Amino acid sequence: SQELEQSPQSLIVQEGKNLTINCTSSKTLYGLYWYKQKYGEGLIFLMMLQKGGEEKSHEKITAKLDEKKQQSSLHITASQPSHAGIYLCGADKDGGSQGNLIFGKGTKLSVKP
Amino acid sequence: ETGVTQSPTHLIKTRGQQVTLRCSSQSGHNTVSWYQQALGQGPQFIFQYYREEENGRGNFPPRFSGLQFPNYSSELNVNALELDDSALYLCASSYGLAVGGTQYFGPGTRLTVL
Repeated sequence: SQELEQSPQSLIVQEGKNLTINCTSSKTLYGLYWYKQKYGEGLIFLMMLQKGGEEKSHEKITAKLDEKKQQSSLHITASQPSHAGIYLCGADKDGGSQGNLIFGKGTKLSVKP
Repeated sequence: ETGVTQSPTHLIKTRGQQVTLRCSSQSGHNTVSWYQQALGQGPQFIFQYYREEENGRGNFPPRFSGLQFPNYSSELNVNALELDDSALYLCASSYGLAVGGTQYFGPGTRLTVL
């Protein structure tokens, strides 16, 4: 079955620094979603990538999809304390209906002021 | 905010009891998916409802059941609660079933089974 592995598991950065989180799939990626979660709360949708080579940005967050490597990266520029939280990547399981997303275990980001 | 609401926010039950969790979809959405998130893990897909019919199910036993109502709100029922059922339960609403759509998540219900 398809699995998503995120790295690193946790990250502590100084405010203002850039950082990258990676998500690697064991199978072909058909749709890759990035969500942010505050501890114990719901998931906040960040962006969705569907095509190889696709890149999307929202404010200071950029995500890319490398279809050949079955990998996506999330890059935050000039991190701020508001970026702290758990970042989860999710994918449409085996190319099926969007309802059945599988998720990585998440990357916990802390930003030191 | 996504417009997806869940109730209750927290719940404490004892082993063997039954529980019902509720989800109100974002306006215009006709699809609801439920996920279980254990501490330190990513969400695990339980099942999905599309226009009141179950449209897919993850690797969860039959004691996990659900309903979707004509207004597209939804319930998750869990019978014979076990300690391992303690988790954050998330519902997500979306429109249709096509890959490439986006699921919007509610704030979750924290269930503790003692």
